Amino acid sequence: GAVVSQHPSRVICKSGTSVKIECRSLDFQATTMFWYRQFPKKSLMLMATSNEGSKATYEQGVEKDKFLINHASLTLSTLTVTSAHPEDSSFYICSAAGLAGEQYFGPGTRLTVT
Amino acid sequence: AQSVTQLDSHVSVSEGTPVLLRCNYSSSYSPSLFWYVQHPNKGLQLLLKYTSAATLVKGINGFEAEFKKSETSFHLTKPSAHMSDAAEYFCVVTNSGGYQKVTFGTGTKLQVIP
Repeated sequence: GAVVSQHPSRVICKSGTSVKIECRSLDFQATTMFWYRQFPKKSLMLMATSNEGSKATYEQGVEKDKFLINHASLTLSTLTVTSAHPEDSSFYICSAAGLAGEQYFGPGTRLTVT
Repeated sequence: AQSVTQLDSHVSVSEGTPVLLRCNYSSSYSPSLFWYVQHPNKGLQLLLKYTSAATLVKGINGFEAEFKKSETSFHLTKPSAHMSDAAEYFCVVTNSGGYQKVTFGTGTKLQVIP
């Protein structure tokens, strides 16, 4: 099956700093990638839909200036959490869309802001 | 409007007995439906997908699901549970056209008792 990687898998940063998370589709090209946030014992919350070469579409309530998404190529999307605060601590998951609308998920990135 | 309801937050079965995880959806368009599984501290894995072809869909690890338009359901089943099936399962709906709108269910935690 299609493989999606995320880097880093875990990151700890200080409050006020920025963190970049990479999402790569390793063996296929993905026009569309998604970024999710998962809270403990909760479902995934879609943050934004990222289309290659265009601006991301953010879900209601997600601050686009805080969560910067760049999808510069068909195999790479990045999420940058700017001026991180402890409440941004979470599990961030990306996915890449397949041809039939299915999603292939990355393993996730655990962000801890101290 | 589009929504997904997973009727059970927790399901507990004995090893070797059948599994039934329920999912109901609503969609203004012809939906595509998916089941994903998430093992503890792991990313999400696609189990199976329905995209307007056969209504009975077979997936990995012996799981299958039947799309019933009249009941707006897409329940996940497996004839015989295995210990390794213990995980969180998510039902997901997207509108026609694939990945323009993605809605996750709240998840069902499957416990398998030896």
